[in-house]
Amino acid sequence: DAMVIQNPRYQVTQFGKPVTLSCSQTLNHNVMYWYQQKSSQAPKLLFHYYDKDFNNEADTPDNFQSRRPNTSFCFLDIRSPGLGDAAMYLCATRSGTGFNQPQHFGDGTRLSIL
Amino acid sequence: DAKTTQPNSMESNEEEPVHLPCNHSTISGTDYIHWYRQLPSQGPEYVIHGLTSNVNNRMASLAIAEDRKSSTLILHRATLRDAAVYYCILRDVDNYGQNFVFGPGTRLSVLP
Repeated sequence: DAMVIQNPRYQVTQFGKPVTLSCSQTLNHNVMYWYQQKSSQAPKLLFHYYDKDFNNEADTPDNFQSRRPNTSFCFLDIRSPGLGDAAMYLCATRSGTGFNQPQHFGDGTRLSIL
Repeated sequence: DAKTTQPNSMESNEEEPVHLPCNHSTISGTDYIHWYRQLPSQGPEYVIHGLTSNVNNRMASLAIAEDRKSSTLILHRATLRDAAVYYCILRDVDNYGQNFVFGPGTRLSVLP
């Protein structure tokens, strides 16, 4: 009964070739997040949606974009991946009805750049 | 966001209690203290959170100092499956609490 599903678990792309990572949720949560986690580091927030409102972190590179076509799905687009973008990408959701509702994470997509 | 500091790593023996400390000396009155953990090859999972009072759930207990400048996550009987990185995070309600910042966390090793 996976609640936040990320596909694929492993993604390989070529340097400079656009790639899209997917996240879907069965929780009907109105807040969705994308994090980047590099090896042996903590997750770093890239951006989040509150419903359809998009909120970009100040230091998120322009190379990273996101789309949320509906409540259940959210996509991370990397327009021209560089070697430094190799990382685990984590999607998370949260119910926006209470300030202290916990985040629910998927198991991530590990992106490799050739 | 107020900052937290945690030891880089800790070690425990299986079936013994584990106390994971977190310092948050710049905590504000509206910051909730959250704990998440990340098992190998998985996304982080919620463990527990609290504001002022100690909290218990099926996974752990959270002990919060009276001045709220520190807290301790308590695993009552460590198992091998508890080996993970544990993150202590402050969540500002006044800032709408939409997001929070992960610190480096504590890597817990559990010895059989």
